[in-house]
Amino acid sequence: EPEVTQTPSHQVTQMGQEVILRCVPISNHLYFYWYRQILGQKVEFLVSFYNNEISEKSEIFDDQFSVERPDGSNFTLKIRSTKLEDSAMYFCAASNYPGTEAFFGQGTRLTVV
Amino acid sequence: GENVEQHPSTLSVQEGDSAVIKCTYSDSASNYFPWYKQELGKRPQLIIDIRSNVGEKKDQRIAVTLNKTAKHFSLHITETQPEDSAVYFCAVRGYSGGGADGLTFGKGTHLIIQP
Repeated sequence: EPEVTQTPSHQVTQMGQEVILRCVPISNHLYFYWYRQILGQKVEFLVSFYNNEISEKSEIFDDQFSVERPDGSNFTLKIRSTKLEDSAMYFCAASNYPGTEAFFGQGTRLTVV
Repeated sequence: GENVEQHPSTLSVQEGDSAVIKCTYSDSASNYFPWYKQELGKRPQLIIDIRSNVGEKKDQRIAVTLNKTAKHFSLHITETQPEDSAVYFCAVRGYSGGGADGLTFGKGTHLIIQP
């Protein structure tokens, strides 16, 4: 099965610090997504990305968040000034066409202390 | 925005029996309905999906049905086994015309298979 790879698997950061979560999508996939899951809750959509720009974003994705694909392979999510409530599992996902299944990475557990 | 309701939140069935999980959605323009299985501490894994032009799809012990008029879809697992124990999420992808629409997930169903 195709793999979406995320690093790091676990990140602990102090409140107010910036974090960058990284994802390497499947090579032939064109649509990229970030989701988050607070412990014990449902998966929530953050942002989708296509053709080097944001396609759609949710209400959660405020000015503290940004995404980019700096080198054509990695897909990053940056949180500028982390808050305690940003603690969650962050999943990257990829698909090769809008409206098809998304392959999820194994996730990055972000803990803000 | 899209609103997805999923029931029940917990479902306990005897091994070998069937399990049914139901979801409703609000946006009639939604056109893609996947189901994910998530084991503790793991990523969501797609187990089956259905598109709006199909009413039913089956893959071995798993099936999904879609009623577009009523805006609900269901996951059916037959001959349940202990390894089916997990949290199951339904999801809906809308179509805004903008390209890569995200999935809206239900709150999940914790399926427990009793030996």
